[in-house]
Parts: sequence; C-alpha cells; structure tokens
Amino acid sequence: DVVLTQTPPTLSATIGQSVSISCRSSQSLLHSNGNTYLHWLLQRPGQSPQLLIYLVSRLESGVPNRFSGSGSGTDFTLKISGVEAEDLGVYYCVQGTHAPWTFGGGTKLELK
Amino acid sequence: QVQLKESGPVLVQASETLSLTCTVSGFSLTNYGVIWVRQPPGKGLEWMGIIWRNGNTDYNSALKSRLSINRDTSKSQVFLKMNSLQTDDTAIYYCTTSLPFAYWGQGTLVTVSS
Repeated sequence: DVVLTQTPPTLSATIGQSVSISCRSSQSLLHSNGNTYLHWLLQRPGQSPQLLIYLVSRLESGVPNRFSGSGSGTDFTLKISGVEAEDLGVYYCVQGTHAPWTFGGGTKLELK
Repeated sequence: QVQLKESGPVLVQASETLSLTCTVSGFSLTNYGVIWVRQPPGKGLEWMGIIWRNGNTDYNSALKSRLSINRDTSKSQVFLKMNSLQTDDTAIYYCTTSLPFAYWGQGTLVTVSS
C-alpha cells in the first residue's frame, strides 16, 4: 500500500504567517491516465473533514485562494499564504491513484 | 443539494458485526462512488473502502478480510458491514463521495464494548 508521510506533524503559526505542509509518497502518484490523485483536506475541531485542494493544485469551490497546492510524482506541498484563525485544525493529504487509497498522518496547525 | 447521512448502532459488543448505512441525496449512486472513512478518538483518518459507481469495491488491506460494502441504488443507500469487532474499532465512521471527498456526512460514533 502507498504510504503518505506528512511533515511536520505539528505546525505553530501566528495570524498572517505563511506556512507549508509537505506530503511525501512511497511511490509515484501519477496515474496511467495522466492525472495525479493527490488531495488535501482540513478537519476543524469537532467537524467532518472538508476538501480544500484536489488533483494536486485545483482549489475546491468556496475555498479561499490563500490555499494552494503544488507538487508532482512523490512530493507535494500545501501552502497557506497568510494564516487566519479559521484555518486552525488538522490537515490531511490523501491519495486516490493506487488502491487502496490512503491518508497521510495529518498535520495539526495551531496558533503560536 | 448533495447530502450524506450515516446511521446505525452507537454501541456494539466485541466480536459482533457492525452494520452502518449511508443514505445519500442530491446524486445517484450510479454516477458517483461512496467512500467509508473512520477516525478513532483523537487519531487520524483511515480510509476503509469504496463502492464505485459501477458497483465494484476496493478495501483497506488491513480490513479486507472482515469488511464488505454494498448498496441499494433504488434507495440511494450504501451499506458497510464489518465483523469480528474489537475495541480498537471504536471510531467515528464517515461516508463521503468519490468526487473526491467533496461532500461528507456528519459521522456516527460507534463504540465497541468488551
């Protein structure tokens, strides 16, 4: 199974600070159809997860454009350009290229 | 609009079988797949399995031997069954779409009692 390793496990930030989260895969996530099925989710405390970014870099409808995704192959990054209070929670990367799909371990974003 | 809702028992005895239902609205199960995800208290998300729009399934390797996912397209329902439950199966169980992950249910907490 594909292993996704997220770093750092915990991230402390001040409001307005820009931060990045890394997600590294144990194998390439480039599908034979040319798509890369790597997505990013945010789970706020006490809530269901929500989709932020799909297919590496596509912003889900309604998600602020301070969120951006990049990467290819095995290395991917989620960037938040100017953290806001509502961004606090746990971020997960998830891959859907190889069955079974798998989640990263999560990165908790907290206020410094 | 798209909605998903999980339902089932809140308490299950160890060694018994868990049966959960995900009732969807706003889309057809023949157009999109449904995924089950679980989250033990205070821990991360675990992908359990998917039933694709064509009815095929894929399962988490670690759960495959005791997990099955089925559906009734006429009722817009997806069913999860997992046998031989243990206390570490205690978790919030979510269903979500294969869109991917664009829509989620509110989750249902299942406690496995020894």
